[in-house]
Amino acid sequence: EDKVVQSPLSLVVHEGDTVTLNCSYEVTNFRSLLWYKQEKKAPTFLFMLTSSGIEKKSGRLSSILDKKELFSILNITATQTGDSAVYLCVLGGSQGNLIFGKGTKLSVKP
Amino acid sequence: NAGVTQTPKFRILKIGQSMTLQCTQDMNHNYMYWYRQDPGMGLKLIYYSVGAGITDKGEVPNGYNVSRSTTEDFPLRLELAAPSQTSVYFCASSAWTGDLSNQPQHFGDGTRLSIL
Repeated sequence: EDKVVQSPLSLVVHEGDTVTLNCSYEVTNFRSLLWYKQEKKAPTFLFMLTSSGIEKKSGRLSSILDKKELFSILNITATQTGDSAVYLCVLGGSQGNLIFGKGTKLSVKP
Repeated sequence: NAGVTQTPKFRILKIGQSMTLQCTQDMNHNYMYWYRQDPGMGLKLIYYSVGAGITDKGEVPNGYNVSRSTTEDFPLRLELAAPSQTSVYFCASSAWTGDLSNQPQHFGDGTRLSIL
């Protein structure tokens, strides 16, 4: 069964800190791994990692995929209070659906 | 840019009542999805559709029905509401690229449903 496990489940840091969020997965046929940010409402797309794109960066956020060890990390440098959210690691399923991890709740204190 | 629009935003139902959650998208996406998110849990797929007239079950379809008569609309119906269906429901859509999972999904803002 395809599965996604995220750690830690929650994290509290201070502004300016760097954080690393972890995601390990099990999948029969890997297609893609996505990271979403969920604040109060709908998840918003951050990155998609595939066999042909194992490293992505956008501003202070970056992500890598290790297909051999079956994990991905999301890094946020110089955190800001606006980064406070739940970060979801998501596996792209073979039916075009997404298999979600439970998320990591990040709280950034001023 | 409307994107994916869900209505209503909140609803309280009594056990045994029925209702339809509406979802519409204006991006001409072929694929549409319904998810539920229980407190502290990830999203779970209820039903999905790869195009008008085609629907299929996801991971947790029991107690729900869907239809897809147009590309834009993908309503989710609860026939006999049960307390276990208390959840936040998200509708999403994505474009077709030939590879089903290599396309980010766009989500609506969700419908918070309570069954009492």
